[in-house]
Amino acid sequence: AQSVTQPDIHITVSEGASLELRCNYSYGATPYLFWYVQSPGQGLQLLLKYFSGDTLVQGIKGFEAEFKRSQSSFNLRKPSVHWSDAAEYFCAVGAGQAGTALIFGKGTTLSVSS
Amino acid sequence: EADIYQTPRYLVIGTGKKITLECSQTMGHDKMYWYQQDPGMELHLIHYSYGVNSTEKGDLSSESTVSRIRTEHFPLTLESARPSHTSQYLCASGRTGIGSPLHFGNGTRLTVT
Repeated sequence: AQSVTQPDIHITVSEGASLELRCNYSYGATPYLFWYVQSPGQGLQLLLKYFSGDTLVQGIKGFEAEFKRSQSSFNLRKPSVHWSDAAEYFCAVGAGQAGTALIFGKGTTLSVSS
Repeated sequence: EADIYQTPRYLVIGTGKKITLECSQTMGHDKMYWYQQDPGMELHLIHYSYGVNSTEKGDLSSESTVSRIRTEHFPLTLESARPSHTSQYLCASGRTGIGSPLHFGNGTRLTVT
């Protein structure tokens, strides 16, 4: 069965420091992978997605993620975190018909300290 | 961008009441979804639709029902609300096509007393 694991429930990073959020997936076929961000009281906003090709994908707000098939991972990174990045981050894998029914991880809450 | 709208944003209601959570999208997407989100938990798919008159139950058992009479509208109904239904409900839509991302509404936070 498809699944997504985000090992870190909560991470605190100093403003200006680099960030890496971990995501591991379990999926039998070629995965379609996504990272979403959710600010308090809001819905989910797409940060970036991976379908095929270049394993390093760029997203909005300065985020990037690297797909590593050998490790079944799709970690999200940002070189310098801003206070406005504090939010909850969800990794998801596409499943079901044409890969559009998403399976989500439990999320990682990011806090940014000054 | 708010091309998918959910109403109400917040709802507090007593046990046994019938409620309908509204979801509308203006993007012409064929696919629409309802997810349930509890704090610290992953989003669980409870219903989805691949087009008009098409509805399916998701992975999470739910006592709610949905309808898809128009492409843009995908309401979710609870015939008799219970405290166990207290949660956040997120509606999403997406284009037909492999790997198309989902666009989410801002959610409805439901509290059943």
